[in-house]
Amino acid sequence: AQSVAQPEDQVNVAEGNPLTVKCTYSVSGNPYLFWYVQYPNRGLQFLLKYITGDNLVKGSYGFEAEFNKSQTSFHLKKPSALVSDSALYFCAVRDNAGNMLTFGGGTRLMVKP
Amino acid sequence: DVKVTQSSRYLVKRTGEKVFLECVQDMDHENMFWYRQDPGLGLRLIYFSYDVKMKEKGDIPEGYSVSREKKERFSLILESASTNQTSMYLCASSLSDVRTEAFFGQGTRLTVV
Repeated sequence: AQSVAQPEDQVNVAEGNPLTVKCTYSVSGNPYLFWYVQYPNRGLQFLLKYITGDNLVKGSYGFEAEFNKSQTSFHLKKPSALVSDSALYFCAVRDNAGNMLTFGGGTRLMVKP
Repeated sequence: DVKVTQSSRYLVKRTGEKVFLECVQDMDHENMFWYRQDPGLGLRLIYFSYDVKMKEKGDIPEGYSVSREKKERFSLILESASTNQTSMYLCASSLSDVRTEAFFGQGTRLTVV
């Protein structure tokens, strides 16, 4: 069975500083990895995905994520955080065997002015 | 623009009632999902459908059933609502290609009293 772990319930960062939100995964085949963001009382919005190729993936709103196969990780990063980035972030995985989309527990990002 | 629409943003139901949550997508997606979101538990998959009249159980199907009579519509049914089903419910859809991202509705916050 596939699974996703987001080890931090909350990440605090000052505006202008770099941010990292961690994600590790477990799948039996090739992983397809996704990051989503959720603002209060809203559904999830897609940020970026890793399918194959370059390990550094760029997405919406200046976010990027680094795929590391040996560490089975897909950490979300941004060079300079904004207060408006404060939200709940979810990592998700699919494998090439099926259509199930499995999510991690979520990480709340708080960016302080 | 892609759209997944859930019929209600907020619902209040009584214990024992039969509850229907409706979801419609306009993207001709093969896959549709129902998730439940609870604080600290992330998104947990209730049911998944990969075609009309086809469904698979997710991680927490107990107390729920689903219906997919048309490709664009996926209904979640609480046969006899209980207070422990008070939660945020999220519907999503995607193409059958596992490399593609899912699109989410805005969520339905259900309270069972």
